[in-house]
Parts: sequence; structure tokens; C-alpha cells
Amino acid sequence: EDKVVQSPLSLVVHEGDTVTLNCSYEVTNFRSLLWYKQEKKAPTFLFMLTSSGIEKKSGRLSSILDKKELFSILNITATQTGDSAVYLCAVVPNTGNQFYFGTGTSLTVIP
Amino acid sequence: EAQVTQNPRYLITVTGKKLTVTCSQNMNHEYMSWYRQDPGLGLRQIYYSMNVEVTDKGDVPEGYKVSRKEKRNFPLILESPSPNQTSLYFCASSWDRGQPQHFGDGTRLSIL
Repeated sequence: EDKVVQSPLSLVVHEGDTVTLNCSYEVTNFRSLLWYKQEKKAPTFLFMLTSSGIEKKSGRLSSILDKKELFSILNITATQTGDSAVYLCAVVPNTGNQFYFGTGTSLTVIP
Repeated sequence: EAQVTQNPRYLITVTGKKLTVTCSQNMNHEYMSWYRQDPGLGLRQIYYSMNVEVTDKGDVPEGYKVSRKEKRNFPLILESPSPNQTSLYFCASSWDRGQPQHFGDGTRLSIL
């Protein structure tokens, strides 16, 4: 059965710290991995990683994909209180049409 | 503005009373899906649709129905709701499977 595991479950840091969030997956025939940020309501898209795009960066956020070891990390540098959210990882296999989400990492940034 | 619109946003109802949660997107997306989000379980896919008249089960389809008669609409139907269907529900769409999904703002259902 396809599975996505995120760690840690929750994290509390101070403003300015750097954090690393992990997403490991066991998916048959990988197609893409997506990171989302969820604040009070709807998840919003951050990055998509595929075989042809294993590293993405946007401002203080960056993500890499290790297809050999079957994991991805999301890095946030110089954290701000506005980064407080649940970060979700989703994986899509090439076979079938489903998205498989992890349970998320809850990040709290303290001023 | 590109958006996915769900209605209602909140609903408290009783066991067995049929209900429908509507979902509409204005981006001409092919792929639409429904998720439920429960504490400690994350987002779980209920049903998805690759295109009009094409729907398929996700991980937790029991107790739910969907239909896709038009490209923009993908309603979620609970024929006989039960308390274990109390949850936060999200509709989402994307132009293709595996591509980033746009999510609606969610519908919080409480079944008493």
C-alpha cells in the first residue's frame, strides 16, 4: 500500500531559526511530490518536485527530492511568525490517479 | 479570480438526513477531487474525477457519492450521514492528475 510519512509531527521554533521538514514515501512508480502550506483553512501550493525537477526554491523556502532514498525535505530559513502553519506533503504515483497525503507537520514560530 | 467554491461552509445536521455539498471551479480544470481532513489522519481522498462522467473511488469512499455532469461542478452527496462522517471536507481541482491542486475553503460538517 502506498504511504507518505512526515516528520516531525510538530515543531516550535523562534523567529530567525532555520527548520527542516521531512517527507518520506513508499509509492509504486513515482510521478510527483507536492508541498502545501495550510494555515486556517485551504492548503496552498508551495512546490512540485518530479524526476526532472528535484530542487525548487522560492525566497526563504526550498525543497529537494531524493528519488533514490524516497524522501523530500522542505527548508525554511530565517523563519517568521507568518510561517506558522501545517505543512503537507503529497505524492502521486504514475499508476492510478490518486493523491496520497502525509499527516502534516505543524510549525509554530514564536516571536 | 481563479477559485474553487464550496457550499455550505458549515453544516450541523442529524443522522440519516441526506445532504449535498456543492463544489464549483472556474479554471476549466479536468481533475477534481474530494478530501476529508481529520486530526491525526491528514487529508484522505474520498472520490476523484478525471473528467465529465468519469469518477473513481479514493481511499475512503464508503458512505459518499459523487457525480460529474459538468466540468465545473463536482458535488459530494451523503445519502444517509452518520456521526463518523463528522469532519472537515475539501474540494480541489487541477488541470491534470499529479499537478498542483487548488483547494476550496472547506466545509465543516457535524453529524449528530
